[in-house]
Amino acid sequence: DFQMTQSPSSLSASVGDRVTITCRANQSISRYLNWYQQKPGKAPKLLIYTASTLQSGVPSRFSGSGSGTDFTLTISSLQPEDFATYYCQQTYSTFTFGGGTMVEIK
Amino acid sequence: QVKLQESGPGLVKPSETLSLTCTVSGGSISNYYWSWIRQPPGKGLEWIGYIYNSGSINYNPSFKSRVTISVDTSKNQFSLKLSSVTAADTAVYYCARDPSSGVRGFDYWGQGTLVTVSS
Repeated sequence: DFQMTQSPSSLSASVGDRVTITCRANQSISRYLNWYQQKPGKAPKLLIYTASTLQSGVPSRFSGSGSGTDFTLTISSLQPEDFATYYCQQTYSTFTFGGGTMVEIK
Repeated sequence: QVKLQESGPGLVKPSETLSLTCTVSGGSISNYYWSWIRQPPGKGLEWIGYIYNSGSINYNPSFKSRVTISVDTSKNQFSLKLSSVTAADTAVYYCARDPSSGVRGFDYWGQGTLVTVSS
């Protein structure tokens, strides 16, 4: 069973801040890790796949890194439209999402 | 532009079968993986399963005994059936496109449809 743990579960930040979200797998998933952004009442939006590849159309302030069990999503300079919940997803074996990280306005 | 639209009853009685359809427009349903994902109110995302070209199906083991996913390529639709539902199955159900068995993520999503399980 592949389980994904995100931290923190929520954070408060200001516009312009650098934000980092962590996702940890309970066993190695190589680089089979995707990141999504979800705003209230909307479907998730793919941001990054295979740990670090930016999906077409996603701003370059988003970046991802990691391999094995530890991964990070970084927003280099938080913008007003980035306040949302972020989910990681492993696709190494079946598919599992992390519990989510809510990014709120400070 | 690819669009996905979920449809089906918004209210299902306990012990009955939940049935949803996802209609894909703006592109072919062939040669992609198509997933169902759900999200209970106020909670996180849970992958249910996927289908690829009718021949390849993969279910989340948590649902395996209750779920069936099928595809109708002639209608550019795929469907979800979840049997013996309980209140715990109340959720927003999403359908999504997957170009490569998860490797490149779910790039297109439907808007989601709320299904409530209640008598």
